[in-house]
Amino acid sequence: DGGITQSPKYLFRKEGQNVTLSCEQNLNHDAMYWYRQDPGQGLRLIYYSQIVNDFQKGDIAEGYSVSREKKESFPLTVTSAQKNPTAFYLCASTMGDRGLNQPQHFGDGTRLSIL
Amino acid sequence: GENVEQHPSTLSVQEGDSAVIKCTYSDSASNYFPWYKQELGKRPQLIIDIRSNVGEKKDQRIAVTLNKTAKHFSLHITETQPEDSAVYFCAAPDSNYQLIWGAGTKLIIKP
Repeated sequence: DGGITQSPKYLFRKEGQNVTLSCEQNLNHDAMYWYRQDPGQGLRLIYYSQIVNDFQKGDIAEGYSVSREKKESFPLTVTSAQKNPTAFYLCASTMGDRGLNQPQHFGDGTRLSIL
Repeated sequence: GENVEQHPSTLSVQEGDSAVIKCTYSDSASNYFPWYKQELGKRPQLIIDIRSNVGEKKDQRIAVTLNKTAKHFSLHITETQPEDSAVYFCAAPDSNYQLIWGAGTKLIIKP
């Protein structure tokens, strides 16, 4: 969907380095998500945020951090504590009506590799 | 918590034939079941979804059926075409309304 922009498309991380992946949406969605996808596998939830200034850990949050200072933006930092960061990272958003379960819309992803 | 299993992991069908992918879930409170299609290196895109108040939903060549008693839902693609080749994912929400995803099915359409 053109409404969610992830950057960069490709990213390389050096040993001991923190890197930040950008996710911006102009859909006026309340909820935003970060997923990690490894080759041949499904999506695993890293962090999610239902509202500005609030976020929760997903199943694989260790080694990652996020912030939600603005409704439109949900950046993900892959810290040096994440020892196996090579993966395809997907950002998604939804209207956030939790009781109704709305479809998630995805960005084009960022492919992160270790140098 | 919710657990979603998806079968088969790979499905190869002749062009023009039908394809069926099945998912089972564990949380009987789950009430929303989407299916996404992901082409190689691209974003997942929603192709169809169903809520628990209906048993079947159809959109042209694509249909989803839901059996709440057995806790499974299936994706049906009829008259398959080469552009249907992709990985398909099912999902179901957990008690926190977060989607739990199946491992994916690689659909191959043979010419």
